[in-house]
Amino acid sequence: GESVGLHLPTLSVQEGDNSIINCAYSNSASDYFIWYKQESGKGPQFIIDIRSNMDKRQGQRVTVLLNKTVKHLSLQIAATQPGDSAVYFCAESYTGRRALTFGSGTRLQVQP
Amino acid sequence: NAGVTQTPKFQVLKTGQSMTLQCAQDMNHNSMYWYRQDPGMGLRLIYYSASEGTTDKGEVPNGYNVSRLNKREFSLRLESAAPSQTSVYFCASSARRQGRGGGYTFGSGTRLTVV
Repeated sequence: GESVGLHLPTLSVQEGDNSIINCAYSNSASDYFIWYKQESGKGPQFIIDIRSNMDKRQGQRVTVLLNKTVKHLSLQIAATQPGDSAVYFCAESYTGRRALTFGSGTRLQVQP
Repeated sequence: NAGVTQTPKFQVLKTGQSMTLQCAQDMNHNSMYWYRQDPGMGLRLIYYSASEGTTDKGEVPNGYNVSRLNKREFSLRLESAAPSQTSVYFCASSARRQGRGGGYTFGSGTRLTVV
């Protein structure tokens, strides 16, 4: 069956380092992907999205990379800050699907 | 502030009680969704409404009902609460189906405990 998953449940990085959060998906029909950030006690917040006709998309301090060959998605955060500490989810969808499917999340801990 | 508003923020129910979770958005979005979030798991879709006047089951609809009251409001009802429904419930909305072109906007959640 289809699934969206993450390789690491918890990622600990030093402040100022770059962070990479990974996500695997299994449905080759998936054509739209989103990364969300969820801080404690809050709802998920949209970070960045990417369509399957792209390999890379950049935002402010964040970059999403998509490798359709191996069905892998990553979120890179440059110069990680304490405010980046949160749980990060990837989500995917495909044309005709009813809604987004979310992965189980990776907790990012930024050490000062 | 513009966005998605959920009420209540916290609720404790006894097994068998009923309640309705309220959700309203003021962004003129067409699509609305209810998800539940359990520890160590991703968000799972309960019900969604692609547009005003339509509702459809998601991944885990058993024990729930929904009403799309108008374009702004989408409520989730538990008719007879069970401990397995203890969870954090999130309402979300999007301008386009599946959240394409910007994803969903989420509410802050309702933390429900059924004892």
